[in-house]
Amino acid sequence: RKEVEQDPGPFNVPEGATVAFNCTYSNSASQSFFWYRQDCRKEPKLLMSVYSSGNEDGRFTAQLNRASQYISLLIRDSKLSDSATYLCVVSSASKIIFGSGTRLSIRP
Amino acid sequence: NAGVTQTPKFRILKIGQSMTLQCAQDMNHNYMYWYRQDPGMGLKLIYYSVGAGITDKGEVPNGYNVSRSTTEDFPLRLELAAPSQTSVYFCASSYYKFGTGTEAFFGQGTRLTVV
Repeated sequence: RKEVEQDPGPFNVPEGATVAFNCTYSNSASQSFFWYRQDCRKEPKLLMSVYSSGNEDGRFTAQLNRASQYISLLIRDSKLSDSATYLCVVSSASKIIFGSGTRLSIRP
Repeated sequence: NAGVTQTPKFRILKIGQSMTLQCAQDMNHNYMYWYRQDPGMGLKLIYYSVGAGITDKGEVPNGYNVSRSTTEDFPLRLELAAPSQTSVYFCASSYYKFGTGTEAFFGQGTRLTVV
C-alpha cells in the first residue's frame, strides 16, 4: 500500500465550480500535512499547510482527520488559473512523502 | 536568499555514462531530499538525508548514490546511466525539530535524458 494515496483524476470542471480532493495516508505517526500545487514542467510549490482544526485561505479550505488518516482540499469558485496538479504531502520525523497528485483542469 | 539551487537544468547522457546532479540550499535546513518525476507521474523519493553525514534510501534508490558532507550540499550521483533514468529530478529541503517540520522547498529541477 502506498504511504500517501490520492485520486489521480483528471478532474475537468467548469469555471466557478467547487471541487474537492481527498487524500489518505498510512503512517499514523505523521505529524505535518500540506497541499502543494505543481504546474506543468515546474517544481511543486506550497499551496497551504493543513491543521487539525481545518484552515482556510481565500477560496481554498483544507481539512485533516487524524482518526481516519484523511486530508481534503476544497476549492470554491474555481478559476482557469487553478488548473494544475495538486499534491497531498505528509511529513513524519524521518521524511516527507508526496502523493502522486490529482490533475485539475478548469474549462471556460 | 537563493533557496534551493540545482545544477544543471538540462543534461543529455549516453548509456553507461556517469554524472552528478548538484543541489545546494542556503536556508540551514537539516533535511534534504531527492525525487524523480517521470512524465505524467508523481514524485518518487530516491534518497533523503536528515543531517550532514546521514543518508537513507527512499522508494527508488537503485542506480543512484548520495552523500551529505555538509548541511548545504546534497549531490546525487548516477554511476551507469540507463534509459530508465530519463526523468526530471527535483531536490528539496526542509527543517525539522522536536516534532515540527516545515514544508519542503524545491529546486527548479534537472531534466535528464539518457540516450
